[in-house]
Amino acid sequence: GAVVSQHPSRVICKSGTSVKIECRSLDFQATTMFWYRQFPKQSLMLMATSNEGSKATYEQGVEKDKFLINHASLTLSTLTVTSAHPEDSSFYICSARRIGTNTEAFFGQGTRLTVV
Amino acid sequence: GESVGLHLPTLSVQEGDNSIINCAYSNSASDYFIWYKQESGKGPQFIIDIRSNMDKRQGQRVTVLLNKTVKHLSLQIAATQPGDSAVYFCAEKLTGTASKLTFGTGTRLQVTL
Repeated sequence: GAVVSQHPSRVICKSGTSVKIECRSLDFQATTMFWYRQFPKQSLMLMATSNEGSKATYEQGVEKDKFLINHASLTLSTLTVTSAHPEDSSFYICSARRIGTNTEAFFGQGTRLTVV
Repeated sequence: GESVGLHLPTLSVQEGDNSIINCAYSNSASDYFIWYKQESGKGPQFIIDIRSNMDKRQGQRVTVLLNKTVKHLSLQIAATQPGDSAVYFCAEKLTGTASKLTFGTGTRLQVTL
């Protein structure tokens, strides 16, 4: 199977600090990873598409300077929430697309971010 | 600030009965569809997918039906079990967008004993 691991699963940080979330494809290579945000009882909203070796593509309304994405290798993408505020508290989920395919994406287990 | 949470539609099904979860998708240019299951506090888990050149696909205890005429997708779960309780999302991929998925609003499935 295809396993995607996110770390940390939960994080609590103080307002104004930055938090980094990692997304790793454990048993496959992924040229493309996706970052989603999910509020309680709502669906997943795509934030950005992360491509290995190039700049991420952000969805409309997502601040690229606020949510920094780095995709330095074929198995790792990171999302850094900079200068976090309470309104950034949410469930962040990544997914990865196996290299050579253009369909099914595999999801990580999510990261619950709480900014206090 | 954080958006006001929406009330997810809920389907209650008795254990052992069949479940049918429906989804209306938005774009006639979508060529690939996936059903995901999401348990509380976890990421979505792939259930079954279907391409737009098909109208039915079966897996283990699950069947997906696609009606492109009315842009409707359904997930049928046979002999529903308590472990099937979760939120189910359909997702669509537009042709040529390389796995960029758009998710539906989700349906909560509650299995009663």
